[in-house]
Order: sequence, then structure tokens, then C-alpha cells
Amino acid sequence: EIVLTQSPGTLSLSPGERATLSCRASQSVSSSYLAWYQQKPGQAPRLLIYGASSRATGIPDRFSGSGSGTDFTLTISRLEPEDFAVYYCQQYGSSPPQTFGQGTKVEIK
Amino acid sequence: QVQLVQSGAEVKKPGASVKVSCKASGYTFTSYYMHWVRQAPGQGLEWMGIINPSGGSTSYAQKFQGRVTMTRDTSTSTVYMELSSLRSEDTAVYYCARESSWISNAFDIWGQGTMVTVSS
Repeated sequence: EIVLTQSPGTLSLSPGERATLSCRASQSVSSSYLAWYQQKPGQAPRLLIYGASSRATGIPDRFSGSGSGTDFTLTISRLEPEDFAVYYCQQYGSSPPQTFGQGTKVEIK
Repeated sequence: QVQLVQSGAEVKKPGASVKVSCKASGYTFTSYYMHWVRQAPGQGLEWMGIINPSGGSTSYAQKFQGRVTMTRDTSTSTVYMELSSLRSEDTAVYYCARESSWISNAFDIWGQGTMVTVSS
């Protein structure tokens, strides 16, 4: 089973700042099968990025994903008030199990 | 519009079973795999398993093998997740999520979640 480790656990930033979130895999992940989700309190997760770098429908271009192999990054170029949330990476290879990282909380500083 | 609507909150006693439903609408039910993911209070996301609504085949996370059963009813476009031998650690929000091959098999649509509380 591939283990995903996200860092940092919590990121304290101000609106307008840049956020850089890391997701490291215990073994190589196909870039085609790495996704990022945003979750706000009391809500279901929302797909932001799939295939490591493709934005899902309706996702603003301040969100971008990059990386390959075992190291992946989600970048939010300029934080808006609605971006403060928890972010999860996920690998979903051709066979189960799919796994999630433990999450990074982006909080207002 | 495309949506997944789940059944309501449940309270169960230890040792009991719970069956959560997830009704799909707005798309061809049999064309997309469905997953179940759970989230304990204050914790992260945990993948439980997958069902192919077309043929009904399933695959479960090893942790839940023997306790979880996923089924579907194509006549109502509904998938079900039944978890047995409940214990307090099963207290969580349970989500169904659609996998889309059009976007590299990511989970593009999620249900609203069903809170399951296990308490004596």
C-alpha cells in the first residue's frame, strides 16, 4: 500500500499570501493518478486537481499542481478568504487501495 | 444536475449493522465506478472500497474485509454500503464518491455524507 505523507500539518498564512503544500509518497505514483481535494468544515471534499496538474471544472487558476514520482505539490498563488480549509492528496492507481494523505490545514494567520 | 444523495444519519449500538444508501442522478449510473470513503471526527479520509454499478463487482480495503458489503440497485440508481459488527471506532461520516475515467479516475462528485454514530 502506498503511504502519502503531507506537510506541513498546518500552514498559517494571511490572505494574499502564497501557499505551498507538499505530498510525498512511499513509492512512485503515476502522475496520472494523483489528485488534490479541498474540504471545508461540515462539507464533503471537493476535487481541485487531477492527474497531478490538471484543474477540475470550475477551479480558479490560482490553484496549481505539480510534481512526479514521489513528490507532489499544490500551490495556491494568492490566498482568498474562501481558500482556508483542509487539503488532501490522494493516489488512485489502476488497482486498489486508493489512499489519502493525512491532510494539511491552511489557517488564517 | 449530477448529484449523489445519501441517506440520513444513523445511531447504532455496538455489534449492530448499518446500511447507508447513495442515490445517483443526472448521469448514466452504470458508466461510473462508485467508492465509499469515511472520515472519523476530526480525522482524515479513509478509503473503504469500490463497486462497479454495471456488473456489481467489488473490491474492499483489507481493513474492512469481512465486515463491509457494497451492493447496487440499477433500477433506482442507488448504491449501498453495509458495515457490520459495529464498534465505537466506526463512528464517522461516510461518503460515496463517483470515479470519473474522463479525469484520470479522480473522484469528481461526492455525496453529502452520512453520519453514523456507534454508541451504547
